[in-house]
Amino acid sequence: DVKVTQSSRYLVKRTGEKVFLECVQDMDHENMFWYRQDPGLGLRLIYFSYDVKMKEKGDIPEGYSVSREKKERFSLILESASTNQTSMYLCASSFPRVYGYTFGSGTRLTVV
Amino acid sequence: AQTVTQSQPEMSVQEAETVTLSCTYDTSESDYYLFWYKQPPSRQMILVIRQEAYKQQNATENRFSVNFQKAAKSFSLKISDSQLGDAAMYFCAYRSALGSARQLTFGSGTQLTVLP
Repeated sequence: DVKVTQSSRYLVKRTGEKVFLECVQDMDHENMFWYRQDPGLGLRLIYFSYDVKMKEKGDIPEGYSVSREKKERFSLILESASTNQTSMYLCASSFPRVYGYTFGSGTRLTVV
Repeated sequence: AQTVTQSQPEMSVQEAETVTLSCTYDTSESDYYLFWYKQPPSRQMILVIRQEAYKQQNATENRFSVNFQKAAKSFSLKISDSQLGDAAMYFCAYRSALGSARQLTFGSGTQLTVLP
C-alpha cells in the first residue's frame, strides 16, 4: 500500500520556535507538495518540489521554507512560528503529469 | 491564475437520497483536469472522481458522477443513494494540463452531512 507519512498528527509549539514538519513518501514520486488547510479557505499551496533540491513557491510561502535533500523526504520549516500559523498542514506527492495526488493524513499544528 | 469556487459551505442529505455539490472555476486554458476529493474525519484525502476537460462524456464512479459544463465552467458532483460513510468535507480541485504545471488549486470545500 503506497503511503505518504507525516511525522506528527498533532503538534503544539511556542511562538518564536523553529518548527519542522516532516513528510516521507514511499512511491518514488518526483513531485511533493505542502498545503495549509483552514476553515472556509480550503487548501492553499505553500511550497512544492519537483526534484531533489528543487523547490518553487506556492501561493502563501511567507514565513515558511522547505528542504528536499532526498527524493522521498520533503520538510516544511517554520523559521519563527507565529500564532497565525496555527493550522492543518497536508503533504502530498505525485508523479509528473499523473492525475491527482496521494496525501498524508495531516499535521494539526497549534502555536501558542 | 485559476480559481475554484464552492458556494455551499454545508450541505445535508437524507440517507439513500441524492445530493449535488456545486463547483465553478475560472481559467483561460482549454485543457485541464478537474477533481473531487473527499476528506472524512480521519483527515485522509481520498480522490473521488476526475474529469479531463477534453472529454465530453461525464465521469462516473459507482454512486458518484459529475456534471461537467465546460462552457459554463461548472463541475458539480452528484452522489446517489447517499450512505452514512459519505459524510465528509468535499473539495473540488483544478489542475492545468500544461506540461510544466504540477499543482492542484482547491476550492474552499463543502461539508456534507448524511442524516439517518
